[in-house]
Amino acid sequence: ETGVTQSPTHLIKTRGQQVTLRCSSQSGHNTVSWYQQALGQGPQFIFQYYREEENGRGNFPPRFSGLQFPNYSSELNVNALELDDSALYLCASTRDRTFSTDTQYFGPGTRLTVL
Amino acid sequence: QQQVKQSPQSLIVQKGGISIINCAYENTAFDYFPWYQQFPGKGPALLIAIRPDVSEKKEGRFTISFNKSAKQFSLHIMDSQPGDSATYFCAAGIKAAGNKLTFGGGTRVLVKP
Repeated sequence: ETGVTQSPTHLIKTRGQQVTLRCSSQSGHNTVSWYQQALGQGPQFIFQYYREEENGRGNFPPRFSGLQFPNYSSELNVNALELDDSALYLCASTRDRTFSTDTQYFGPGTRLTVL
Repeated sequence: QQQVKQSPQSLIVQKGGISIINCAYENTAFDYFPWYQQFPGKGPALLIAIRPDVSEKKEGRFTISFNKSAKQFSLHIMDSQPGDSATYFCAAGIKAAGNKLTFGGGTRVLVKP
């Protein structure tokens, strides 16, 4: 176990709805990254938060947004859901993005199904 | 320039055999190359990682070989066990940029007893 938790485990939504996914980082970690993993594919980087500020974004539209809180927990929000948003959403925490030897530890993910 | 290409997509190996997975990258700015193991219903777990100033790194039955000039790296799983049956992902990142990872497409490994 990595100490990174995500909720909920599974979620079913309909097209056009909004969803919020949550991540609790490993204790002492101030950096969190979110990834989308479509079925049968590798994870794709969505964005990263460091000390409550967005620190880089992948090729995802603005309807994907996030927050990081003072306790370093994090949220991923997706508006106007599309069928292609169906995927496993992973968060990964790092002790500190400025530490060159640090590793990302992944949570178990939230499985989102959009109908 | 951000792609990481992984092969094969799947492989079957007998217990005790060697599993070899290959990855190639394009962006020469990448300076961190981890391998992750993922079981069904779980998030990826770090197996082993290498920096480009090292040509080989071994941890237990897992070895990474790195060829900087060819922009290729590979994972060797020695003495494969049924418990190694999982999906393996290579990835690449840039440490100074916060290590946002670019993943390969994954290799599903099945180890037959």
